[in-house]
Amino acid sequence: TQLLEQSPQFLSIQEGENLTVYCNSSSVFSSLQWYRQEPGEGPVLLVTVVTGGEVKKLKRLTFQFGDARKDSSLHITAAQPGDTGLYLCAVPSYNAGNMLTFGGGTRLMVKP
Amino acid sequence: DAGVTQSPTHLIKTRGQHVTLRCSPISGHKSVSWYQQVLGQGPQFIFQYYEKEERGRGNFPDRFSARQFPNYSSELNVNALLLGDSALYLCASSSSLETQYFGPGTRLLVL
Repeated sequence: TQLLEQSPQFLSIQEGENLTVYCNSSSVFSSLQWYRQEPGEGPVLLVTVVTGGEVKKLKRLTFQFGDARKDSSLHITAAQPGDTGLYLCAVPSYNAGNMLTFGGGTRLMVKP
Repeated sequence: DAGVTQSPTHLIKTRGQHVTLRCSPISGHKSVSWYQQVLGQGPQFIFQYYEKEERGRGNFPDRFSARQFPNYSSELNVNALLLGDSALYLCASSSSLETQYFGPGTRLLVL
């Protein structure tokens, strides 16, 4: 069982549609991060959420941290082909350095 | 400033061989972490080094080893390669406990 479960695994939508992807766990986290990874590239950090119930916006992307700090969601409004990529949630662990534990990712394809 | 660089970009090996992957962190960053990303999955933590010392190790066999040099660059070594070692190997650099910045990765194919 993975620490972080992401859903859906795959999502194919038309340009202009809205979508939400989820990152769930039974554990409580001090913070949670969202990354986007494009083909041939490494993950790029989009946002870090640290407070239960926190909402952060990055242009058309809205990130929310669950009240109990066990889950998070990413909502994209009016998706564009440039949003295509693998969306990963991750939690840092400071027990040994600052290793990241990633979810399995949601692969998003936005068709023009 | 240059980002994290990794070499080579692609590599093909056969079972039983060994491989060395290289990473140069962002200038000023003293921490380097290695991750393995199997196709269709999220990255999995392998090692973290800070100031040339191992700070963390993931659940990988002893065939995997790494080191960090005085200039903070790093090498990941994998011995006795298995088909299952085929993956994208990502290096990330950071300054202490701050944000990790990932390189483009080395794609390893084991035949």
